[in-house]
Amino acid sequence: DTEVTQTPKHLVMGMTNKKSLKCEQHMGHRAMYWYKQKAKKPPELMFVYSYEKLSINESVPSRFSPECPNSSLLNLHLHALQPEDSALYLCASSQWGQEEETQYFGPGTRLLVL
Amino acid sequence: RKEVEQDPGPFNVPEGATVAFNCTYSNSASQSFFWYRQDCRKEPKLLMSVYSSGNEDGRFTAQLNRASQYISLLIRDSKLSDSATYLCVVKVYNTDKLIFGTGTRLQVFP
Repeated sequence: DTEVTQTPKHLVMGMTNKKSLKCEQHMGHRAMYWYKQKAKKPPELMFVYSYEKLSINESVPSRFSPECPNSSLLNLHLHALQPEDSALYLCASSQWGQEEETQYFGPGTRLLVL
Repeated sequence: RKEVEQDPGPFNVPEGATVAFNCTYSNSASQSFFWYRQDCRKEPKLLMSVYSSGNEDGRFTAQLNRASQYISLLIRDSKLSDSATYLCVVKVYNTDKLIFGTGTRLQVFP
């Protein structure tokens, strides 16, 4: 089973709201990722967690706050977002240490900031 | 120069045609290579990994030329369902990061 699940599928929020995106995988993967994807653009890496520790932050604004409560779960907390943050937010996971390091993506959360 | 470059297309081909996509990468420390497929408003899905010896999966053939830092994907006997964006993806040695090309859009028509 190569399934990564994400909730919610769609989210509309105002600039003063606080919301969270959730991601879950049960493949025993040790690395989890958040990506942001704008229309007609490739995914852009935001954060990487390896063994539940933040290993990469691609200079993401602090209004995005990741959290990894355990090896199966990854959250992205959102606060005071801007309209330009509207995008598809993708979660992915991969098995650390494997030569191929294939990443498996969840279906994404489509976020609209008003 | 972008780290991974692809022709954005679109490639419009009839059913049954053979189509080839190319991709170049700039970082010689690149270790692993993949082609992902992304349908409109969906997540990227792994199509195939790319090995130095070249590899084939049904109608799809991937090639890697490390000397030229070049990757290709060949699709034979195109189907309508092959219509999608094909992302060339590179993983740099000893990092957790995937570097995505901008994608090549394929439209197969009847």
